[in-house]
Amino acid sequence: EVQLVESGGGLVKPGGSLRLSCAASGFTFTNAWMTWVRQAPGKGLEWVGRIKSKTDGGTTDYAAPVKGRFTISRDDSKNTLYLQMNSLKTEDTAVYYCTTALAPTGGGMDVWGQGTTVTVSS
Amino acid sequence: QSVLTQPPSASGTPGQRVTISCSGSSSNIGSNTVNWYQQLPGTAPKLLIYNNNQRPSGVPDRLSGSKSGTSASLAISGLQSEDEADYYCAAWDDSLNGLVFGGGTKLTVL
Repeated sequence: EVQLVESGGGLVKPGGSLRLSCAASGFTFTNAWMTWVRQAPGKGLEWVGRIKSKTDGGTTDYAAPVKGRFTISRDDSKNTLYLQMNSLKTEDTAVYYCTTALAPTGGGMDVWGQGTTVTVSS
Repeated sequence: QSVLTQPPSASGTPGQRVTISCSGSSSNIGSNTVNWYQQLPGTAPKLLIYNNNQRPSGVPDRLSGSKSGTSASLAISGLQSEDEADYYCAAWDDSLNGLVFGGGTKLTVL
């Protein structure tokens, strides 16, 4: 069964750090481009960033609000995606989803995790 | 403020056809394909339409997508109570070098 399971969310103070993980199973993780999307309480979806597969360069792209503070990485040996979040702000409070496009959907993301909640508050 | 513009709400009665619009610009919808997602309360988003008008396996054909210029739309015909959800459009933006979403449309089945 294809599955993405996020973990690592929690309560953190402004200025603090947190690392989210996303464990993948049921598909060839090595070939997948992986994406983080977040959703603030009562708000819409917001793209955080992505990491390409190593065969496609393994490069990363980030949304402007998180660039320089967040880092996306992957460990293909563990089938795990990471999101390192530093210098957290209250506006980073959100449910964070990891997602990917497995089927040939032109980049449309057809597999999503259940999300993990990050709360940034003093 | 979202890069892609959607109406915040839409509604219809069972059996009706509703359309949700998504307006962008030349750097996103105008030059890249549009995907649509459905999000039921408390759940992760689900891909409904990809490449402007393609349905993934399992998505019923009463849902359809279209794109013209810098705008796209999602149509749902034969509206059902289980269609009540939030709907988001998304497209890659070449200027921002990132994926952009619409603000979402809350569909109510009256």
